[in-house]
Amino acid sequence: AQSVTQLGSHVSVSEGALVLLRCNYSSSVPPYLFWYVQYPNQGLQLLLKYTSAATLVKGINGFEAEFKKSETSFHLTKPSAHMSDAAEYFCAVSVLSEKLVFGKGTKLTVNP
Amino acid sequence: DGGITQSPKYLFRKEGQNVTLSCEQNLNHDAMYWYRQDPGQGLRLIYYSQIVNDFQKGDIAEGYSVSREKKESFPLTVTSAQKNPTAFYLCASSTHAEGVDSYEQYFGPGTRLTVT
Repeated sequence: AQSVTQLGSHVSVSEGALVLLRCNYSSSVPPYLFWYVQYPNQGLQLLLKYTSAATLVKGINGFEAEFKKSETSFHLTKPSAHMSDAAEYFCAVSVLSEKLVFGKGTKLTVNP
Repeated sequence: DGGITQSPKYLFRKEGQNVTLSCEQNLNHDAMYWYRQDPGQGLRLIYYSQIVNDFQKGDIAEGYSVSREKKESFPLTVTSAQKNPTAFYLCASSTHAEGVDSYEQYFGPGTRLTVT
């Protein structure tokens, strides 16, 4: 069965600094991978997705992620953090089914 | 605008009472899902439905029930058998129309249920 591990339940960066949120997946077949963002007391919004096309995926709000099969990773990055990026981020994997398996989430804090 | 609506936003109930959470979508999606979210636990799948009049248990179905009588609606009932019902509940939907293969899910705004 597929699984997702998000390294670091809390990440803190300064405004303008690089954002790096880590996600590693486990899957025996090529996966679909997703990053979602959640603001307090709201639903999840899709940031970006990997579906076996380009390995570097660009999403909304300046985020991007790179699929690295050899490392089974799909880390999320943004060159320069903004205060509005403070939220919780979830990595998810889907393999040959409609079900998504989510990581436990990483809460991003952006300090002024 | 197409989307998913969940009502109410906040719900309070006494222990021992059943409560039904509403989820409606106008995206014409075939599949719908219910998740439970607790702090530090991520999202856990309760039930999902791929077509009308059919649904499957997810990872934590005990103490919950669902129905799917219409494509647009997938209500979740939290029964008195659920030991710890206080949580944030999220509904989602997805499509598998021709040419769409990413299994992307769209989420509603959530319902926060508090049982005392």
